[in-house]
Amino acid sequence: QSVVTQPPSASGTPGQRVTITCSGSRSNVGNNFVYWYQQLPGTAPKLLIYKNDERPSGVPDRFSGSKSGTSASLAISGLRSEDEADYYCATWHDSLSGPVFGGGTKLTVL
Amino acid sequence: QVTLKESGPTLVKPTQTLTLACTFSGFSLTTSGVGVGWIRQPPGKALEWLALIYWDDDERYSPSLKNRLTITKDTSKNQVVLTMTNMDSVDTATYYCARYRGLYEPNDYWGPGMMVTVSS
Repeated sequence: QSVVTQPPSASGTPGQRVTITCSGSRSNVGNNFVYWYQQLPGTAPKLLIYKNDERPSGVPDRFSGSKSGTSASLAISGLRSEDEADYYCATWHDSLSGPVFGGGTKLTVL
Repeated sequence: QVTLKESGPTLVKPTQTLTLACTFSGFSLTTSGVGVGWIRQPPGKALEWLALIYWDDDERYSPSLKNRLTITKDTSKNQVVLTMTNMDSVDTATYYCARYRGLYEPNDYWGPGMMVTVSS
């Protein structure tokens, strides 16, 4: 059971906008940057969003991140079939003195 | 460009010690703020952070595994080594090496990962 909570699943149809949440506390999400990763089946995770809302070069602007208080969100607009993957949030945990991951959200494109 | 690659045994027996190496390129572990660490993922399960070492030799460990882990670095070889003692079947997982580019932040780059199975 992770200290940072994500919904286990999410879904949407092509073209839709989907939001995945990441909920924590003041000692993790509330006080530190949140990162988001996409993990396609059988591959290593890939960085999608860093420092709450920054996109690495090469990541489409369909992906966006935000944070408010002790929660963060990843939004995917213009959903495509290739977006079907597992999505993880991560942040630093002050009292554990290390990074923590959310439990992951499996996104299904219907 | 930044690359990392894991190496080590793919099969270990229960109670044995696992030693994994991460060989990286495209950055230096002598640069202020940079770290290299390890993350694992049991089959069908979530990611779990294990350990991290920074450019200044600051070591961080997952509290739940701290007693079993040791992380070291060899900057001349661009390599970071993780040892995990007393392996058990629950340690069967894909082990990823990762680069950290800022203090107190998650990683940005990942290695491809390697599957380690614990079985007699």
